[in-house]
Amino acid sequence: EAQVTQNPRYLITVTGKKLTVTCSQNMNHEYMSWYRQDPGLGLRQIYYSMNVEVTDKGDVPEGYKVSRKEKRNFPLILESPSPNQTSLYFCASSLSAGEGTYEQYFGPGTRLTVT
Amino acid sequence: AQTVTQSQPEMSVQEAETVTLSCTYDTSESDYYLFWYKQPPSRQMILVIRQEAYKQQNATENRFSVNFQKAAKSFSLKISDSQLGDAAMYFCAYRTSGTYKYIFGTGTRLKVLA
Repeated sequence: EAQVTQNPRYLITVTGKKLTVTCSQNMNHEYMSWYRQDPGLGLRQIYYSMNVEVTDKGDVPEGYKVSRKEKRNFPLILESPSPNQTSLYFCASSLSAGEGTYEQYFGPGTRLTVT
Repeated sequence: AQTVTQSQPEMSVQEAETVTLSCTYDTSESDYYLFWYKQPPSRQMILVIRQEAYKQQNATENRFSVNFQKAAKSFSLKISDSQLGDAAMYFCAYRTSGTYKYIFGTGTRLKVLA
């Protein structure tokens, strides 16, 4: 089954404790992206990747890191989480994104709470 | 910078009726793509419909259609014969052609009344 998986689905952590949210897709997609969703703000793009070893900042990259060492994986790293990073996080992938209305496939979301 | 505005935080519609969700955007680009996504209570993001800016014909997917007014920078979603399963948060999204950045609106919560 074609899908985007995220782990963990729920996470409660404390300020400053490094964490990684994993994202994996099995569709051989070139493009992958991370978003955060906050009430009243919609989805905001954190980072995206056009292919292996190629990443770029979205609108809200501060406090986050990403890497794309393999085509299928795109982990989101919070090296020193803070309470303002409490949010619902989505990973997404698509065949391409440069041209065309390629559909983004979204993961199920990760609910992160930083206390 | 591009922006997407959804001015209706919440809307209600009677089952079997028609409802229109509004979306306006601001861009200086001429080539771009527009999308509507649905987010039911399960939180899963589902693509509803997509539109290429260079196409004058409005996109249609079964009961879902858009009214794309390029000059007015408007991209509204019409849902016909509303069903209880249509109840969800709906997000409008924009992407400039040739880029990888997506801009989402703040969403409209749609309630469907039985």
